[in-house]
Amino acid sequence: TAGITQAPTSQILAAGRSMTLRCTQDMRHNAMYWYRQDLGLGLRLIHYSNTAGTTGKGEVPDGYSVSRANTDDFPLTLASAVPSQTSVYFCASSTDGGEYNEQFFGPGTRLTVL
Amino acid sequence: GQNIDQPTEMTATEGAIVQINCTYQTSGFNGLFWYQQHAGEAPTFLSYNVLDGLEEKGRFSSFLSRSKGYSYLLLKELQMKDSASYLCAVKDSNYQLIWGAGTKLIIKP
Repeated sequence: TAGITQAPTSQILAAGRSMTLRCTQDMRHNAMYWYRQDLGLGLRLIHYSNTAGTTGKGEVPDGYSVSRANTDDFPLTLASAVPSQTSVYFCASSTDGGEYNEQFFGPGTRLTVL
Repeated sequence: GQNIDQPTEMTATEGAIVQINCTYQTSGFNGLFWYQQHAGEAPTFLSYNVLDGLEEKGRFSSFLSRSKGYSYLLLKELQMKDSASYLCAVKDSNYQLIWGAGTKLIIKP
């Protein structure tokens, strides 16, 4: 079982360009999440989706958009990248968004915006 | 505001015991999680506490005091492979995880 896959593994992007980070899970989890992880800071939630067809904003949503057309896929789009979006991006999923539901993480995408 | 505090870095000796503390102030509480993250890798789940007390799982134990907003992760019989960052996270009233910055644990032979 693959679990959660993310693509690309890493990317260097020119400022102003757009990019979509892909995330796919094969666990049939209802809830999915996008986080960014920066040195010295905790994981910060960008966007989430509790079920296919719905999305919500997290702590740091500005400059990012998501869609959830089906259960398995949860792409994250940067419409016009800026250097402050340089970070490691993790996609995660859980059975649902309730109390006890451990989140399973993908391997991450390391993004550098120049 | 919401806040999770944990030490930035700790050092311990192989075979010893180490306790990593976490204090939190969040809007609501729906459980506390500990994750392990090796350098360059994704976080992986270690433990979950929602009631006060100690949860033991092999060499790892996690303790929670909701009245004190406090948790710790206890690692026994330390091995070199335990060198990693340990992340504390609290699920708030909106069922969103609020994450601490993590504690980097260095194990020395």
